Amino acid sequence: DSGVTQTPKHLITATGQRVTLRCSPRSGDLSVYWYQQSLDQGLQFLIQYYNGEERAKGNILERFSAQQFPDLHSELNLSSLELGDSALYFCASSVGVGSSYEQYFGPGTRLTVT
Amino acid sequence: AQTVTQSQPEMSVQEAETVTLSCTYDTSESDYYLFWYKQPPSRQMILVIRQEAYKQQNATENRFSVNFQKAAKSFSLKISDSQLGDAAMYFCAYRSFYGVDGGSQGNLIFGKGTKLSVKP
Repeated sequence: DSGVTQTPKHLITATGQRVTLRCSPRSGDLSVYWYQQSLDQGLQFLIQYYNGEERAKGNILERFSAQQFPDLHSELNLSSLELGDSALYFCASSVGVGSSYEQYFGPGTRLTVT
Repeated sequence: AQTVTQSQPEMSVQEAETVTLSCTYDTSESDYYLFWYKQPPSRQMILVIRQEAYKQQNATENRFSVNFQKAAKSFSLKISDSQLGDAAMYFCAYRSFYGVDGGSQGNLIFGKGTKLSVKP
């Protein structure tokens, strides 16, 4: 158990819908990363937050957005869902924003778009 | 941009034997980190081993060791005395020492993965 929690574990929804994935980082961790794992694209970085502020963006679609709240949990919002958005979405957390800090992964949320 | 390549989509090893998984990467940076992550059927991402590019000594963690060849941009993982529980997807990952804008951001760049099967 990494100490990072993600809810829900599984999510099934229809095309065109909007969903919210939630991540609670390890106690004391200020930085949150979101990654997407799909058959087509493999594992890719979406976005990073540190202490409530966006720090880095990767291959995140405009239909996707995220935020980190004062209690440091983070939410990833996916809208106008398409079949291709079906994937495993991971959240990872680390103490700081620097590259020397270890990232700990949550168990992931499996999103299925039908 | 940095890229990570794992050229072996699947590998197989006999229990108790040794197997080596290959990884190459491309970067113009001199300082960075390299990782091997394991993803078992549970889908949890588990850090196996980490290597700092500025360290010449190859990292080891129990039965897991790496062969880090900085000039060749190669980072292979050796698993000794393979066990049934080692069966999983293995991902090689790269992380910059500094971010694109000079700040340290630290997101990981992953290869496509190698599926390792362990035969009893």
